[in-house]
Amino acid sequence: EAQVTQNPRYLITVTGKKLTVTCSQNMNHEYMSWYRQDPGLGLRQIYYSMNVEVTDKGDVPEGYKVSRKEKRNFPLILESPSPNQTSLYFCASGTGGAGNTIYFGEGSWLTVV
Amino acid sequence: KQEVTQIPAALSVPEGENLVLNCSFTDSAIYNLQWFRQDPGKGLTSLLLIQSSQREQTSGRLNASLDKSSGRSTLYIAASQPGDSATYLCAVTTWDDYKLSFGAGTTVTVRA
Repeated sequence: EAQVTQNPRYLITVTGKKLTVTCSQNMNHEYMSWYRQDPGLGLRQIYYSMNVEVTDKGDVPEGYKVSRKEKRNFPLILESPSPNQTSLYFCASGTGGAGNTIYFGEGSWLTVV
Repeated sequence: KQEVTQIPAALSVPEGENLVLNCSFTDSAIYNLQWFRQDPGKGLTSLLLIQSSQREQTSGRLNASLDKSSGRSTLYIAASQPGDSATYLCAVTTWDDYKLSFGAGTTVTVRA
């Protein structure tokens, strides 16, 4: 079954404690991306990657890091989380190109206290 | 910067009525436009993708049109059912930087 898997799904953490949200896809997709969804602000792109070792900033990259060492994995790293990073995070993947249907993970609820 | 707007923000209709959801975007240099469905607390599911060279796409009761020159897309859902209740989002991929920009969504309620 085609899947984008995120972990953890739910996390409460404290300010400043580094955390990583993992994302893995089993569809051999070249394109992967991270979004955050906040009430009233909608979905905003954090980072995206067109292929291994190729990453670019989205609209709200501040406070986040990513890496793409393998095609299937695209972890999101919060080096020093702050309360304003409390949000619902989605990872997504796609084939790339004009016919790039995007597949989303189930989301990760992150609370920073 | 690409701006995507969806009108209306919310819609409530009786079962069986046809739904019309609108999406507009400011930069017509797009790669494609997609419509997604999101159920509360869940991820997004892709419904239809229209490439920039296409005018419309159809899947079952869903039909989406694209007018790139005017920066508009419309999603039609025929003969709505209570199971169609969800938030519908449109997203545009801009040609030059491949960024995906989302509208805020239209929340649909279909009353039985």
